[in-house]
Amino acid sequence: NAGVTQTPKFQVLKTGQSMTLQCAQDMNHNSMYWYRQDPGMGLRLIYYSASEGTTDKGEVPNGYNVSRLNKREFSLRLESAAPSQTSVYFCASGGSTYEQYFGPGTRLTVT
Amino acid sequence: TQLLEQSPQFLSIQEGENLTVYCNSSSVFSSLQWYRQEPGEGPVLLVTVVTGGEVKKLKRLTFQFGDARKDSSLHITAAQPGDTGLYLCAGSLYGNNRLAFGKGNQVVVIP
Repeated sequence: NAGVTQTPKFQVLKTGQSMTLQCAQDMNHNSMYWYRQDPGMGLRLIYYSASEGTTDKGEVPNGYNVSRLNKREFSLRLESAAPSQTSVYFCASGGSTYEQYFGPGTRLTVT
Repeated sequence: TQLLEQSPQFLSIQEGENLTVYCNSSSVFSSLQWYRQEPGEGPVLLVTVVTGGEVKKLKRLTFQFGDARKDSSLHITAAQPGDTGLYLCAGSLYGNNRLAFGKGNQVVVIP
């Protein structure tokens, strides 16, 4: 089992460009999450999906959109990247016990 | 306002010493998890505590959940360089599988 996989691992964008971060899990979890991690700020929830077909905003959703494509896949889209979105992005999945399992992260730089 | 406060933020100790880090809140949690994150990687789940007063051991790591389920501590006995990392606590507060994360305890064990 691969657990939670994320692509790409690294990305550099120019201001105004768009991109989609991909996430997939093979643990048959219902819930999936997108976080960003910045120095001194900790992990902040961007969006989450409690089950296939549903998505909800987290603490910092502005500038992002998500799609829960199926039970396995949850993507995060930046429509018009801004330097403030430079961060490390983590996808996670969770079952019924509130525990979450994280992917390896995507390191995004917006210039 | 940070829901979970972790202290100390940074701790550097010599190999073989003991250490304790703390995770505190004014809120009551139904469960609390500890994760360890190494540089360039995603957080990895170490333990989940559910019952007030519960103590769990993972080799040289001892986790305790406060009686009132508002706080937790992590004690490492005879620390080793492999224990170096960012320790994150996370509490289950909401009813929708979301977790609140602390900013972490950065632990460095010097050989």
